[in-house]
Amino acid sequence: AQSVTQLGSHVSVSEGALVLLRCNYSSSVPPYLFWYVQYPNQGLQLLLKYTTGATLVKGINGFEAEFKKSETSFHLTKPSAHMSDAAEYFCAVLTDSWGKLQFGAGTQVVVTP
Amino acid sequence: GAVVSQHPSWVICKSGTSVKIECRSLDFQATTMFWYRQFPKQSLMLMATSNEGSKATYEQGVEKDKFLINHASLTLSTLTVTSAHPEDSSFYICSARKGGGAGGYEQYFGPGTRLTVT
Repeated sequence: AQSVTQLGSHVSVSEGALVLLRCNYSSSVPPYLFWYVQYPNQGLQLLLKYTTGATLVKGINGFEAEFKKSETSFHLTKPSAHMSDAAEYFCAVLTDSWGKLQFGAGTQVVVTP
Repeated sequence: GAVVSQHPSWVICKSGTSVKIECRSLDFQATTMFWYRQFPKQSLMLMATSNEGSKATYEQGVEKDKFLINHASLTLSTLTVTSAHPEDSSFYICSARKGGGAGGYEQYFGPGTRLTVT
């Protein structure tokens, strides 16, 4: 069975500093991995996804993630945090052919001036 | 784009009544739609998967007679919470999958519906 683990339920970064959100996966098959962002009282928005091919994936809002099979990781980064990046971030892995996703517990990002 | 709407965005109902939540894919046909429940400060819990024209597949522990899901068309799915009780109060989110094939597995999420049962 596929699953993801997000390390750190809460991350605080200074505006302009590097944002690093950690996600490790467990999968018996080549994984399809996703990062989503959720702003308060809203649905989720897709930031980026990895399916096959290039292991460094660029997404929206300056975010990128690197798929590392040897480390079973798919960490999300952004070089310079912006106040608008304050939100909840979820890592997810595809678990079946219908498109079902298994979400991590989420990481709350706080950006301080 | 891939826009999913939900209606209503929030609803307050009395205990014992039923509430229907609509989920629509506005600019694409959704082969599969999903319904999630989210408690405060927690992750999404998948309730059920629905495909147009067929019965929904419920996750373990989800009461299918309480949470009725109807996927009437390729652009509309509804979730009806029957005989609602205060413990059903939650944030309900739907999502829609755009299509199949490699790389076509991303889900597009609605804005969510806040249900409060008094």
